[in-house]
Amino acid sequence: NAGVMQNPRHLVRRRGQEARLRCSPMKGHSHVYWYRQLPEEGLKFMVYLQKENIIDESGMPKERFSAEFPKEGPSILRIQQVVRGDSAAYFCASSPRQATRGQETQYFGPGTRLLVL
Amino acid sequence: SQQGEEDPQALSIQEGENATMNCSYKTSINNLQWYRQNSGRGLVHLILIRSNEREKHSGRLRVTLDTSKKSSSLLITASRAADTASYFCATGEAGTASKLTFGTGTRLQVTL
Repeated sequence: NAGVMQNPRHLVRRRGQEARLRCSPMKGHSHVYWYRQLPEEGLKFMVYLQKENIIDESGMPKERFSAEFPKEGPSILRIQQVVRGDSAAYFCASSPRQATRGQETQYFGPGTRLLVL
Repeated sequence: SQQGEEDPQALSIQEGENATMNCSYKTSINNLQWYRQNSGRGLVHLILIRSNEREKHSGRLRVTLDTSKKSSSLLITASRAADTASYFCATGEAGTASKLTFGTGTRLQVTL
C-alpha cells in the first residue's frame, strides 16, 4: 500500500513563474491537507480539501495561491507569480475520513521543496 | 508562547540515554500527536493521545498529557543513533474542522 505521493520532490522556479505541486493521497483516503514549512520552523496549515470541495482554506494566502482536489487525479497546489518568500517545503497529508477535531491520524508525504530564484 | 511550542529547542544525548521533550499549547484540544522528521524528509506519525487520556506507550515511546497544564511530554527510552531527528507535537484543536497546529520542534541528536 503506497503512502502519500508528492511530486516533484524538488522544484526550482524564477520569480514570476508558476509552481504546481501535486499530491496523490493514500489509497482509500479522500481527505487531503496541505501544509507549508519554512526553514527551521514547524508546519503551518494551509488548506483542507475533499474530492471537488475546499473545506477549510483559512491558512491559504489570499492571493496567488489556490488548491484543488478533482474527482479524478491528484490534488494540486498552485502558486502563481512566485516570489522568493514562497521558498519552502510543502507537505501534503491524507486521511481516510474527515479528521474531525483532529481525531484521525494524518499521513504525510515526503514533501516538495520549492526554491524561488 | 505559540500553540504547540516544544522545549527544549535542541537536545544532544548519548546512545542508550533517555530523551525527554515537552510541548505546551494554549487552546482546548481534542488530541495531541507527535511526529518525527528526519532532515530534509517528510513527517512520520509516532503516536496520538486523546484529550481524555493521560499516558500512552508505543515501543520505546511514552507520551503523557496534562490538559490542566496544557502540556505533553514525549519520552524516548534507550535512545539510538537512528532516533536523531526533529520531533514535533501537533494539536487538533477543539471546535476546528481538521487542521493540525504544529510546534516549532525539538532537534534531537543522539551520538554514539
